[in-house]
Amino acid sequence: AQSVTQLGSHVSVSEGALVLLRCNYSSSVPPYLFWYVQYPNQGLQLLLKYTSAATLVKGINGFEAEFKKSETSFHLTKPSAHMSDAAEYFCAVSDINNNDMRFGAGTRLTVKP
Amino acid sequence: EAGVAQSPRYKIIEKRQSVAFWCNPISGHATLYWYQQILGQGPKLLIQFQNNGVVDDSQLPKDRFSAERLKGVDSTLKIQPAKLEDSAVYLCASSQKTENSGEYFGPGTRLTVT
Repeated sequence: AQSVTQLGSHVSVSEGALVLLRCNYSSSVPPYLFWYVQYPNQGLQLLLKYTSAATLVKGINGFEAEFKKSETSFHLTKPSAHMSDAAEYFCAVSDINNNDMRFGAGTRLTVKP
Repeated sequence: EAGVAQSPRYKIIEKRQSVAFWCNPISGHATLYWYQQILGQGPKLLIQFQNNGVVDDSQLPKDRFSAERLKGVDSTLKIQPAKLEDSAVYLCASSQKTENSGEYFGPGTRLTVT
């Protein structure tokens, strides 16, 4: 079975600082990897996805993530945090048919003025 | 393109009562998922449909939960009888059956069992 581990349930950064949210995956098959964002009282929104093409994936709102097979990681970054980035972020893994989707526990990002 | 629709948005019931949630996926999306998201946790897949067939229901508590997607379009998830620990947000998602698709989520139904 596949799984993801998100390191750090809470991350706090200052506005304008680098955002780094960590995700490590475990999969016995080539994985597809996703980052979702959830704003308060809203549904999950897909930020970006890795589907075995380029290892550096660019998403919406200036976020990007790099697939590193040697480290089994798929960390999410953004060069400069904005107040509107405050939300819960979930890493997820599935097989290439979008089956067996497994989510991490989430990382709550706080952005300080 | 209309998104995934879910109803109701909120539901409060007493334990041992029954409840049903409805989901209408994005038009043309063959795959439909139901997730349970307990406060402070990531979503947990309950059941996955491909058209009207079940692909994965390994994490569905079948003694009290049931789901159907009879015509391969909209779906209902039922809990009977509800327990306190069923309090959660129930998310519906859909996806196209292609390699590059992600899942599109509805707004969820927040269930409180008292």
